[in-house]
Amino acid sequence: DAKTTQPNSMESNEEEPVHLPCNHSTISGTDYIHWYRQLPSQGPEYVIHGLTSNVNNRMASLAIAEDRKSSTLILHRATLRDAAVYYCILSQASQGNLIFGKGTKLSVKP
Amino acid sequence: NAGVTQTPKFQVLKTGQSMTLQCAQDMNHEYMSWYRQDPGMGLRLIHYSVGAGITDQGEVPNGYNVSRSTTEDFPLRLLSAAPSQTSVYFCASSSQGSGTGQETQYFGPGTRLLVL
Repeated sequence: DAKTTQPNSMESNEEEPVHLPCNHSTISGTDYIHWYRQLPSQGPEYVIHGLTSNVNNRMASLAIAEDRKSSTLILHRATLRDAAVYYCILSQASQGNLIFGKGTKLSVKP
Repeated sequence: NAGVTQTPKFQVLKTGQSMTLQCAQDMNHEYMSWYRQDPGMGLRLIHYSVGAGITDQGEVPNGYNVSRSTTEDFPLRLLSAAPSQTSVYFCASSSQGSGTGQETQYFGPGTRLLVL
């Protein structure tokens, strides 16, 4: 299974942008890059996903490197409610399973 | 839609006892799965199902059984609980959709299990 590497933790100030990096050097051509987050004492929730092009939705933006070996989840204005563990996951075609790493624990300071 | 629901929220068991964790979804999703999460760790896949009557093992299946008699329900059975099974258990579902890897998974709120 293709793996991802993320920093263990990051800190941000409230209302500032946050860039969460993810390395996936062994990604295959058909792997989608998914981001999920897990708020304290809750189940994971979907944030965003992409294949090659940058993606935007109401929660975040996903910037994917041209060689697809890394990506960055961008929270444009962090709020206290964004404090969570963020998981970068590669999702393979015809595979329903998600392989979770330890993710990045994001702390947001007021 | 209620989404993915799990019961119970909390459970304490003694070693050797058996129990069933319930999971239900009302989104008509074909794919359902069970994960466990130990402190400070990511989620690990226990069992999954791609449709009624079809189940398969994930990364850590030992000590757990599943069955899928309906699209909506996917119970997880602990046959003889052990302290090593103390964990938080999450159920998830997704539509198989195109099978391209784009499918979004929806997670339940979790069941916290303590085995003494």
